[in-house]
Amino acid sequence: KAGVTQTPRYLIKTRGQQVTLSCSPISGHRSVSWYQQTPGQGLQFLFEYFSETQRNKGNFPGRFSGRQFSNSRSEMNVSTLELGDSALYLCASSFEPAGARTGNTIYFGEGSWLTVV
Amino acid sequence: GENVEQHPSTLSVQEGDSAVIKCTYSDSASNYFPWYKQELGKRPQLIIDIRSNVGEKKDQRIAVTLNKTAKHFSLHITETQPEDSAVYFCAAPRGPGTASKLTFGTGTRLQVTL
Repeated sequence: KAGVTQTPRYLIKTRGQQVTLSCSPISGHRSVSWYQQTPGQGLQFLFEYFSETQRNKGNFPGRFSGRQFSNSRSEMNVSTLELGDSALYLCASSFEPAGARTGNTIYFGEGSWLTVV
Repeated sequence: GENVEQHPSTLSVQEGDSAVIKCTYSDSASNYFPWYKQELGKRPQLIIDIRSNVGEKKDQRIAVTLNKTAKHFSLHITETQPEDSAVYFCAAPRGPGTASKLTFGTGTRLQVTL
């Protein structure tokens, strides 16, 4: 079956603009998590959505937001872009919540490379 | 601490040698510990995971050990090959049950030299 699909793969934006990234999870998966990856910072958790509800949120400013639709597809939005927002944004899906203590494997998409100039 | 601590940040080994990466977690309720491998320009991919009801799990040249008392788990790669060169991330659930999140270590860049 198809894996996690993220669009767009690459994009360049100007400071102050906003951007929307899209993620289609593996069919049947209800949880979508978003991570920001920058060199030296590893994978920083942004938020997780499960059944259209935000389940958890990381330590990012309110400029970062997201949502999940009834078909489990998810979008994340970053408003008023800053140079420091340049990063690889990874989406991951799992059948149950990613952090659940039952231990659910999460599968990553290829990511969206965002460059802010 | 807030995150899962991972060491070392970089590791260079000769082909055929073993590599060990260690992670420490703080949430005693954590019970699932996956390891991901990320090759340059690619997505992180799960290579092995372990649950807290076992102390060790092995899959060919890769093994993971878990010490719940000390709250640390380690990835062991034996007979390393050049294709093992990548960044490796450990992870563990952290936080209250209904809002727990999978938290990643800062990664280990493994370089296998010929």
